[in-house]
Amino acid sequence: QTVVTQEPSLTVSPGGTVTLTCASSTGAVTSAYYPNWFQQKPGQAPRALIYSTTNKHSWTPARFSGSLLGGKAALTLSGVQPEDEAEYYCLLYCGGAQLWVFGGGTKLTVL
Amino acid sequence: QLQLQESGPGLVKPSETLSLTCSVSGGSFTSSSYYWVWIRQPPGKGLEWIGVIHYSGTTYYSPSLKSRVAISVDTSKNQFSLKLSSVTAADTAVYYCVRSVDYGARWGIGDYWGQGTLVTVSS
Repeated sequence: QTVVTQEPSLTVSPGGTVTLTCASSTGAVTSAYYPNWFQQKPGQAPRALIYSTTNKHSWTPARFSGSLLGGKAALTLSGVQPEDEAEYYCLLYCGGAQLWVFGGGTKLTVL
Repeated sequence: QLQLQESGPGLVKPSETLSLTCSVSGGSFTSSSYYWVWIRQPPGKGLEWIGVIHYSGTTYYSPSLKSRVAISVDTSKNQFSLKLSSVTAADTAVYYCVRSVDYGARWGIGDYWGQGTLVTVSS
């Protein structure tokens, strides 16, 4: 089965920029993987941020953006705020029969 | 405002069947664009996709759980349900019900989530 890999942890300073990535064991991630990104804070349900690579939900702050970068899906936070400290998960479509696979998550620390 | 609410036993014995229901309110349940998903998260671990159902009854399951999972839908009650058989301690997790949207050439997963329900597998 496809394995989706994210950085286990990243640290960023307030006001800085950080990019989280999401790789597939089957090869380069393309838009056909419909990358989705989620933010989860302790004790809360995940919240969707980005769908189908670049599309933001109505509630997604402008400082979050999605892209494809070097064969991976990417989530970039520009002008990081302390409240962005959270776990971030990507989700990729990996097969014909509605097979979706989550990455292991990236713990983002704002320090 | 769409709301999803999971319900079901919080404790299940090993080898028995876990059963959960998700009630959907405040919005359309039978739009052809909507798919209804179960996702779980073991304590302290990451998210795992379980499976998805369309209101028409079409289902798709994660290959790793396919032999033990069944998802069904009741359009008269705006509900969809999860059954997971032969559970073990490894099935202990917070179970979330989630809406997903087919926008045509784009997929949006999880624009709405239930609050999640913890199911513990223990004797």
